[in-house]
Amino acid sequence: DGGITQSPKYLFRKEGQNVTLSCEQNLNHDAMYWYRQDPGQGLRLIYYSQIVNDFQKGDIAEGYSVSREKKESFPLTVTSAQKNPTAFYLCASSNPTGFSNQPQHFGDGTRLSIL
Amino acid sequence: GEDVEQSLFLSVREGDSSVINCTYTDSSSTYLYWYKQEPGAGLQLLTYIFSNMDMKQDQRLTVLLNKKDKHLSLRIADTQTGDSAIYFCAIDRGSTLGRLYFGRGTQLTVWP
Repeated sequence: DGGITQSPKYLFRKEGQNVTLSCEQNLNHDAMYWYRQDPGQGLRLIYYSQIVNDFQKGDIAEGYSVSREKKESFPLTVTSAQKNPTAFYLCASSNPTGFSNQPQHFGDGTRLSIL
Repeated sequence: GEDVEQSLFLSVREGDSSVINCTYTDSSSTYLYWYKQEPGAGLQLLTYIFSNMDMKQDQRLTVLLNKKDKHLSLRIADTQTGDSAIYFCAIDRGSTLGRLYFGRGTQLTVWP
């Protein structure tokens, strides 16, 4: 079945360590997104990419980095510069086609905690 | 202020109707969406409405859109305990690039 796979489901980070969250989609979507979710905060956009080899900062990009080398993959690195990384991270994809309906489809998330 | 606002909590009794409300500031959206999130999971698209519609019904779900007041609502008929979840309103603000803007979510609790 087509969908979005995020891995791992749980991840622990030590102080000063970079960690990478994986996001893979087989929906043939052009656009992919990373969100951070904290309790009561809703979803905040970290980075998004509309095509391969291109990406834009969202509202809270500091301390994070991404790459988009393949259409189906959009990994997120949480760097040591992100001082409060504990959160639930959600990846999404969509196929923007001008003015037609373009809902985002989500993975099941990765929960990142600090050791 | 926030682009999209929702009440944080709603409690209803099983079998009653639930109404989750959303207000937004930008009137340029083409599509407006409702997503559901169960504990520990991602967001699941429930339904959406095109901006030139006032109402959309899909089984137990009814979406109402009041563009003049910039108000969107989701009514769930005959609410069940399995409907307990967080519900997010999202708008596209007229973007053709796929970006969506989410509210903070409404935690719906259904009591038996």
